[in-house]
Amino acid sequence: DAGITQSPRYKITETGRQVTLMCHQTWSHSYMFWYRQDLGHGLRLIYYSAAADITDKGEVPDGYVVSRSKTENFPLTLESATRSQTSVYFCASSEFGTASPLHFGNGTRLTVT
Amino acid sequence: AQSVSQHNHHVILSEAASLELGCNYSYGGTVNLFWYVQYPGQHLQLLLKYFSGDPLVKGIKGFEAEFIKSKFSFNLRKPSVQWSDTAEYFCAVTSPYNQGGKLIFGQGTELSVKP
Repeated sequence: DAGITQSPRYKITETGRQVTLMCHQTWSHSYMFWYRQDLGHGLRLIYYSAAADITDKGEVPDGYVVSRSKTENFPLTLESATRSQTSVYFCASSEFGTASPLHFGNGTRLTVT
Repeated sequence: AQSVSQHNHHVILSEAASLELGCNYSYGGTVNLFWYVQYPGQHLQLLLKYFSGDPLVKGIKGFEAEFIKSKFSFNLRKPSVQWSDTAEYFCAVTSPYNQGGKLIFGQGTELSVKP
């Protein structure tokens, strides 16, 4: 099915562990984004990518790493998870950056214990 | 730095009531403006957008928004809400000269519509 898929939907991990959230899109959109959603903060941009092998920091990049070796995939890695990274993470893609609508995945709810 | 402020954190309305959700942004240049909606348990979906032209923008499901440049506002309206409009609504802003994805979201407004 065409669309944007995030996995896993739910993840519980321990402080200090490395965890990777996956994002896959089938539209061949150039742009991909990672946001985190927290109560009282709305959505905050973590990282974005304008094309394969091109990534840049958003508002809250500390503690996260991204890569984009293929256009369709944009994994987000928490190198050493902290409790403050407990959140809902949304991946999104768009054809022309923010000049075109963002298409969001269903989110990954991450709990760090 | 760009920022977006949504004044109402939680709005409770009865069905058929009129809705207006406030959104103000801080950015001195040309902007692209969006409203996204997140229904319970679902991902965000685009409700409407403004890039240029007519400042009154119509979106899906009977929603509209008015861009008032002098007030740096982009309020969302609907004449008569339905129970199915219960959701969280996010205003977002970006500069059209920044393709890089700096879409800045407001904190969100939770709308509860009572049947």
